[in-house]
Amino acid sequence: DSGVTQTPKHLITATGQRVTLRCSPRSGDLSVYWYQQSLDQGLQFLIQYYNGEERAKGNILERFSAQQFPDLHSELNLSSLELGDSALYFCASSVAGALSYGYTFGSGTRLTVV
Amino acid sequence: AQSVTQLGSHVSVSEGALVLLRCNYSSSVPPYLFWYVQYPNQGLQLLLKYTTGATLVKGINGFEAEFKKSETSFHLTKPSAHMSDAAEYFCAVSRPSGYSTLTFGKGTMLLVSP
Repeated sequence: DSGVTQTPKHLITATGQRVTLRCSPRSGDLSVYWYQQSLDQGLQFLIQYYNGEERAKGNILERFSAQQFPDLHSELNLSSLELGDSALYFCASSVAGALSYGYTFGSGTRLTVV
Repeated sequence: AQSVTQLGSHVSVSEGALVLLRCNYSSSVPPYLFWYVQYPNQGLQLLLKYTTGATLVKGINGFEAEFKKSETSFHLTKPSAHMSDAAEYFCAVSRPSGYSTLTFGKGTMLLVSP
């Protein structure tokens, strides 16, 4: 157990629908990162939050949004889902201002859009 | 912008043989470098990291990597492969800043045969 908790582990939904993925960071970590992993694109950085504030944005589609709550858990919202959104979505966390420690990853949410 | 190139999407070795996974990076500033391992249906686990100081870095499970600035490389090695090393390995780079994000390579699948 890495200490980063992601729910649900698996999600199957239809095109056009909206889903919410949840992440609880490791105790003491203030930064949360979301990554998308697919066979063709590899691991793509989506977005980073630090203590409730958006810190960096990567290749995140406009149909996707995220937020980090006061208790530091984060949610990634995916809307108007398309078949191509099927992927593994990872959350990672890190100690604030200490990238030298690396990230701690959760076990991911596998999203299948049918 | 930073980028990582991992040479070879698949590497096959025999049990007991040397493991060499190649990683080259591109960065405009001295980078932080990481190797992560992903076992099937799991999240990414940090193997080792280079930030500053000694250029030969030792990690978990007998792996090590050497930062070579002149070659912009950070290859991962292990003297003797074990069946349990079969997994996907990711090299990653970041700027030396506390709030930087990790940019991952596309990964190398290590196959170990008896």
